[in-house]
Amino acid sequence: TQLLEQSPQFLSIQEGENLTVYCNSSSVFSSLQWYRQEPGEGPVLLVTVVTGGEVKKLKRLTFQFGDARKDSSLHITAAQPGDTGLYLCAGARYNQGGKLIFGQGTELSVKP
Amino acid sequence: GAVVSQHPSWVICKSGTSVKIECRSLDFQATTMFWYRQFPKQSLMLMATSNEGSKATYEQGVEKDKFLINHASLTLSTLTVTSAHPEDSSFYICSARRTGNQPQHFGDGTRLSIL
Repeated sequence: TQLLEQSPQFLSIQEGENLTVYCNSSSVFSSLQWYRQEPGEGPVLLVTVVTGGEVKKLKRLTFQFGDARKDSSLHITAAQPGDTGLYLCAGARYNQGGKLIFGQGTELSVKP
Repeated sequence: GAVVSQHPSWVICKSGTSVKIECRSLDFQATTMFWYRQFPKQSLMLMATSNEGSKATYEQGVEKDKFLINHASLTLSTLTVTSAHPEDSSFYICSARRTGNQPQHFGDGTRLSIL
């Protein structure tokens, strides 16, 4: 059973297009992190959201945490080839000692 | 910053040997470190949680005698893959966390190839 469903798992778009990645769960999370990972490297933290309804922006990336803290989305505006990579959402549940539940990941390819 | 260093970054060894991977938090003290395994084009799978000074907690299905974890200090945790076989070949990643609700910071991973 996948506790955190991430979609889509693969996305290939042209430079300049917009995209949204979704993470959904039936569980409530105390916080949710988004990471980006390059091949052969570890994930790099992009953002942490902790409050229901919270919206955070990081340049062309907009992150949203659902009101009920069960889902999150990542929206990229005007994607660039440099955005190519594996995007991972990960949720921390209450009283789990900080363990993260990872989504399946979204492999994004932005073609020039 | 929160830098986590993982060593080695790449190792190739013969079947039956044991391999040790180190995970260090360079500029902060990590009360908790986590070890993950990742297959190509897939997400991270948590193997175990390591708290300084205590035994590691392994996830269901992970052999504790196969994957030995030691967290001897607040800045170092090690994962030893004992009697490695080709099916143990994978990308192993560690992460470290200060305390409480602090986020996890990841090392750059170790590519393990068993021949």
